[in-house]
Amino acid sequence: AQTVTQSQPEMSVQEAETVTLSCTYDTSESDYYLFWYKQPPSRQMILVIRQEAYKQQNATENRFSVNFQKAAKSFSLKISDSQLGDAAMYFCAYRSAFLGGRDDKIIFGKGTRLHILP
Amino acid sequence: SAVISQKPSRDICQRGTSLTIQCQVDSQVTMMFWYRQQPGQSLTLIATANQGSEATYESGFVIDKFPISRPNLTFSTLTVSNMSPEDSSIYLCSVGTGEQPQHFGDGTRLSIL
Repeated sequence: AQTVTQSQPEMSVQEAETVTLSCTYDTSESDYYLFWYKQPPSRQMILVIRQEAYKQQNATENRFSVNFQKAAKSFSLKISDSQLGDAAMYFCAYRSAFLGGRDDKIIFGKGTRLHILP
Repeated sequence: SAVISQKPSRDICQRGTSLTIQCQVDSQVTMMFWYRQQPGQSLTLIATANQGSEATYESGFVIDKFPISRPNLTFSTLTVSNMSPEDSSIYLCSVGTGEQPQHFGDGTRLSIL
């Protein structure tokens, strides 16, 4: 079974600085998707960025980028120029690329709470 | 991306009662997913609801406790039955398969007295 591990329960970063959130996963599959979701206090789950395992190029979305190391099964999120609005819980997540039924479910890590210091 | 409306947004219920949560999507989707998020925890999948068939439950979740309906391709309900304080959680529905990322409703915050 696939697992997702986030080893940093909480992190803090100064406003305007850069922070990296770690995520590792375990799978025997060769094709899959990885996601980072943000959950602010409003509890809404917001997709931050996604990565297809077959793509070598790291995904980037404005201030958010990932470092995807497939061999190491590592998928870290880098937030540049941190803003107060980035304060939230961040979840790393995995989904199999094989379609059908329960394989489409997303498996979440336990999350990292990010604090932004003004 | 799909727009998901979830109702109610929150409720406070008495022990032993049941509550039905509704999830409406603005487009037709084959599969809908129900998650539970206990206080301070991550999301745990309760079940996968496929239109026209019985929902598939994850380990630790049973149909008698969490019956699910999926009457059409845009709507699903989750009932939390015979509630106890341990059921106090946020319940979220979501859609999205294959290459599409999963999108979530705003969640239902449930508190049991």
